[in-house]
Amino acid sequence: EVQLLESGGGLVQPGGSLRLSCAASGFTFSSYAMSWVRQAPGKGLEWVSVISGSGGSTYYADSVKGRFTISRDNSKNTLYLQMNSLRAEDTAVYYCAKDNNDYVWGAFIDYWGQGTLVTVSS
Amino acid sequence: DIQMTQSPSSLSASVGDRVTITCRASQGISNYLAWFQQKPGKAPKSLIYAASILHSGVPSRFSGSGSGTDFTLTISSLQPEDFATYFCQQYNTFPITFGQGTRLQIK
Repeated sequence: EVQLLESGGGLVQPGGSLRLSCAASGFTFSSYAMSWVRQAPGKGLEWVSVISGSGGSTYYADSVKGRFTISRDNSKNTLYLQMNSLRAEDTAVYYCAKDNNDYVWGAFIDYWGQGTLVTVSS
Repeated sequence: DIQMTQSPSSLSASVGDRVTITCRASQGISNYLAWFQQKPGKAPKSLIYAASILHSGVPSRFSGSGSGTDFTLTISSLQPEDFATYFCQQYNTFPITFGQGTRLQIK
């Protein structure tokens, strides 16, 4: 059974940093691209970033480019999202998601984690 | 960026009804279209990929169709557990984009 467990969310001041983690199990982690998707309170879904199975390819939404960094440790079956220079508009539930193949192009999400809440406020 | 527009934004229906939700892309995306279901306070659930293929375990009352710019999600006979918000998503081009969502409510 695929399981994705996010952690690391919390309250942070504007301009601060936070690192989210997503512990994966139930599949061969290194064989699949992984994504982060966020949802602001009461709003829709917003794609944030994706990383290939090897970690060699990454893409970002313009809204986070230059501030967020996606990475993975395949030896630990863990996905990360380093978030710097946080803004109030980054407040959201952040979901970790598994893609259906190793590549970032043409890959779709098949499993979702339960999400972790990030609140950016002074 | 490719804009995804869903209609309607909200919909009221009864158990047993047939409902259709439409998703339109601002440019052609072939069949790189997914549908997700989300219930309040819960993570999204993947329903359909490649416009018309159901994920494992998704009931057959759900179906998807379309290609290019126009897509539909149809629920043939609404069940109580289907009342939720539905999102379409294109994964043809980066940045990946979602529709704004369609809230399906009980009439």
